[in-house]
Amino acid sequence: GENVEQHPSTLSVQEGDSAVIKCTYSDSASNYFPWYKQELGKRPQLIIDIRSNVGEKKDQRIAVTLNKTAKHFSLHITETQPEDSAVYFCAASMYALNFGKGTSLLVTP
Amino acid sequence: DTAVSQTPKYLVTQMGNDKSIKCEQNLGHDTMYWYKQDSKKFLKIMFSYNNKELIINETVPNRFSPKSPDKAHLNLHINSLELGDSAVYFCASSQRDRGEAFFGQGTRLTVV
Repeated sequence: GENVEQHPSTLSVQEGDSAVIKCTYSDSASNYFPWYKQELGKRPQLIIDIRSNVGEKKDQRIAVTLNKTAKHFSLHITETQPEDSAVYFCAASMYALNFGKGTSLLVTP
Repeated sequence: DTAVSQTPKYLVTQMGNDKSIKCEQNLGHDTMYWYKQDSKKFLKIMFSYNNKELIINETVPNRFSPKSPDKAHLNLHINSLELGDSAVYFCASSQRDRGEAFFGQGTRLTVV
């Protein structure tokens, strides 16, 4: 089955800095790559996604890049704010989401 | 309107008991899932149903049995609960050809 690796497991940045989280996947058949944000005690919520026919997608301060050849994709958050602090999950999917182990992001004022 | 709702939100029970968690979605999606999130926050897929048919059944003990009476509902029954079953269980739904999954609020199961 699909195996998704995610790094780093924890990330601490100062407010205003950028944060980058990287993921790799194993199944070349995966064609959908979402990113979810989970705040403490809450459900995972989709923040951005990318499909295999696109290399990059941006939505305000967040962007995702995909390299299909290398089977890796990344989340970039610019101008981080304290409310960006949460656990971020990448996932790769053909039929069901297979998640990475999560990155705990802490943005300090 | 809650898109994916699951009940109960909290469940505390003794070892050996049998319990059920219910999930309903009003998004018109054709696929529903159960995920387990352990204490390390790892989200692991357990089951996936498409149009009431089981399509994914990961390595999960037989004590866990999903049931999908219709496309909008996917329930999870757990027999003979063990301490290691303590976790947060999330239901989710998606439209299979679109991929975006919406999660329920989670059920925190504590086995004592």
